[in-house]
Amino acid sequence: GAGVSQSPSNKVTEKGKDVELRCDPISGHTALYWYRQRLGQGLEFLIYFQGNSAPDKSGLPSDRFSAERTGESVSTLTIQRTQQEDSAVYLCASSLGLLGQGVGTGELFFGEGSRLTVL
Amino acid sequence: SQELEQSPQSLIVQEGKNLTINCTSSKTLYGLYWYKQKYGEGLIFLMMLQKGGEEKSHEKITAKLDEKKQQSSLHITASQPSHAGIYLCGADRGNKLVFGAGTILRVKS
Repeated sequence: GAGVSQSPSNKVTEKGKDVELRCDPISGHTALYWYRQRLGQGLEFLIYFQGNSAPDKSGLPSDRFSAERTGESVSTLTIQRTQQEDSAVYLCASSLGLLGQGVGTGELFFGEGSRLTVL
Repeated sequence: SQELEQSPQSLIVQEGKNLTINCTSSKTLYGLYWYKQKYGEGLIFLMMLQKGGEEKSHEKITAKLDEKKQQSSLHITASQPSHAGIYLCGADRGNKLVFGAGTILRVKS
């Protein structure tokens, strides 16, 4: 597709269960970002990937959160033993390169998000 | 407190009126991005400002960057219902964007 694709669009799970969220970036985009948006709040940075470099995991809130990316394609965000405070919209974004590298316009292209509800 | 403070948190304007949203950073701004978000949708890129004093316009939306004040403003002229949504500013913090909490805009017909 032409844009960033995320799945599932909605996920309801029980506390303690593991969930996987998927992101398909725009083809050719080397950088991929995950953000979390809690109700009524701004976006909270979680992690980014750039090519084959080590990811910046500095925003992951706990060791229950992890993410993987295969090359410059699909990424999966995994949340283990979900808690109610994990309920949020998880947004993925991709760009031609990392911000500050002067690649393209520096714009991040966002998907529509995966809404996670933990009961 | 947040690194990026947006004001106001929300506003309701009558269609046709002008409005301004502000974004103030507690740190030096090297790049400032404005995005718009509608409920249930992803973020739509509006503008990016990089240099002090820079001003950009797109249709009826104008954004300015005051580097000295570490502040950016977004101005909408003659607001329309299509302008309704959440406006988010984001600051370039070394390869990633840090966002403000957003400003909710409602436009009354």
